[in-house]
Amino acid sequence: EVQLVESGGGLVQPGRSLKLSCLASGFTFSNYGMNWIRQAPGKGLEWVASISSSSSYIYYADTVKGRFTISRDNAKNTLYLQMTSLRSEDTALYYCARDSSYVMDAWGQGASVTVSS
Amino acid sequence: DIQMTQSPSSMSASLGDTVTITCLASQDIGNYLSWYQQKPGKSPKLMIYGATNLEDGVPSRFSGSRSGSDYSLTINSLGYDDEGIYHCHQYYEYPYTFGAGTKLELK
Repeated sequence: EVQLVESGGGLVQPGRSLKLSCLASGFTFSNYGMNWIRQAPGKGLEWVASISSSSSYIYYADTVKGRFTISRDNAKNTLYLQMTSLRSEDTALYYCARDSSYVMDAWGQGASVTVSS
Repeated sequence: DIQMTQSPSSMSASLGDTVTITCLASQDIGNYLSWYQQKPGKSPKLMIYGATNLEDGVPSRFSGSRSGSDYSLTINSLGYDDEGIYHCHQYYEYPYTFGAGTKLELK
C-alpha cells in the first residue's frame, strides 16, 4: 500500500524557518517525481513545488521561489520542503503527493504550518 | 499561468441525481487534466486523470469529458458518499494550477 506521511509542521513566527518531511513507503520512491501542494484554511489547493525522481528537475511556484527549497533523499525514501522567511500567507496544510506520469495519484494526510507571532 | 475557472462553486443535489462540474482552461492543456474529491479533514483523492480516465477503484458512476477547453466531471446516481469538494487540476505545464473547487452537498 502506498503511504506518504508528512511531519515537521507547527507554529512558527514570521520570518523564521521550518522544514517538512514526507516519508514514503509501499512503492519504489526513487522511481517517482514528487510534489508539495498546500491548502490554506478554507481555501483551494495551491501547487508549491515539484522535484523529479533523481532531483534533476525542480520547479517552484512564484509565491515561494527563493524562500522554499524542495529536496529528496532516495536512500531514506524521504521528500523535504525547507521553508525560510515564512509569512502569514504561508499558513496552510502542506501535502506531499506522488507524481505518476505527471498525475498526482497519491497524497499524504498533510502537515499543518501556522505562521503567527 | 494557466487559469482554471471552475463552476459552480457550490451545488446541492438529491440522491440519485446526475450532476456536472465544469472547468474552463485559459489556454490549451490537451488532456492534461485531473479531478480530485476531497472530504472534510481528508486529503484529495484522485478520481479522473487524462481528462477522461477513471482511476482504479473509482465507481463507474464518475466520468470525465472534454469539449475544447471545457472539462467536465459528471456523477451519475448521486449517493451520500459523493459529498465533498471537487477540484480540477491542470498538469500540462508549470506552474501547475487548480480550480477553486466545487462543494457538493446532498439535500
